[in-house]
Amino acid sequence: EAQVTQNPRYLITVTGKKLTVTCSQNMNHEYMSWYRQDPGLGLRQIYYSMNVEVTDKGDVPEGYKVSRKEKRNFPLILESPSPNQTSLYFCASSRRTGLNTEAFFGQGTRLTVV
Amino acid sequence: AQTVTQSQPEMSVQEAETVTLSCTYDTSESDYYLFWYKQPPSRQMILVIRQEAYKQQNATENRFSVNFQKAAKSFSLKISDSQLGDAAMYFCAYRSAQGAQKLVFGQGTRLTINP
Repeated sequence: EAQVTQNPRYLITVTGKKLTVTCSQNMNHEYMSWYRQDPGLGLRQIYYSMNVEVTDKGDVPEGYKVSRKEKRNFPLILESPSPNQTSLYFCASSRRTGLNTEAFFGQGTRLTVV
Repeated sequence: AQTVTQSQPEMSVQEAETVTLSCTYDTSESDYYLFWYKQPPSRQMILVIRQEAYKQQNATENRFSVNFQKAAKSFSLKISDSQLGDAAMYFCAYRSAQGAQKLVFGQGTRLTINP
């Protein structure tokens, strides 16, 4: 089954304690990205990757890091989380080019930073 | 930069009735795609319908259809014969046909279905 898998689904952490949210896709997609969802703001892109070892900032990259060492994995790293990073996070993947490159989303990770 | 605006934070409709969710966008591009996503309480993002900007014909998917007005930069979603399972947050999204596959989302509209 084609899918994007995020872990964990829920996470409560304390300010300053480094954490990683994992994302893996089994569709051999080149393009992967991270979004955060906040009430009244919709989803905003944090970082994206066009392929292995190619990453770039999205609209709200401050406080986040990513890496793309393998095509299937695209972890999101918060090295020193702060309360304003409390949010719902989504990983998504798609083919890089093409007419109907549908984006596939993970199940979401609800992060609370206290 | 492109922007997407959903001006209705909440909508409600009686079961079996029809409801229309509004979406406007701003872009200087001529070639792009537009999408409506549904997010039920499970948080899963589900693609409801898509529209290619170069197609004049409005997209339809069963009870879901869009009214795409390119000149007005408007992309509304009509849900016919509303069902309880349609209750969800709905997001309108834009994607350029060039470059990266970035989706630009609106703020969302929470749809309630009244039995």
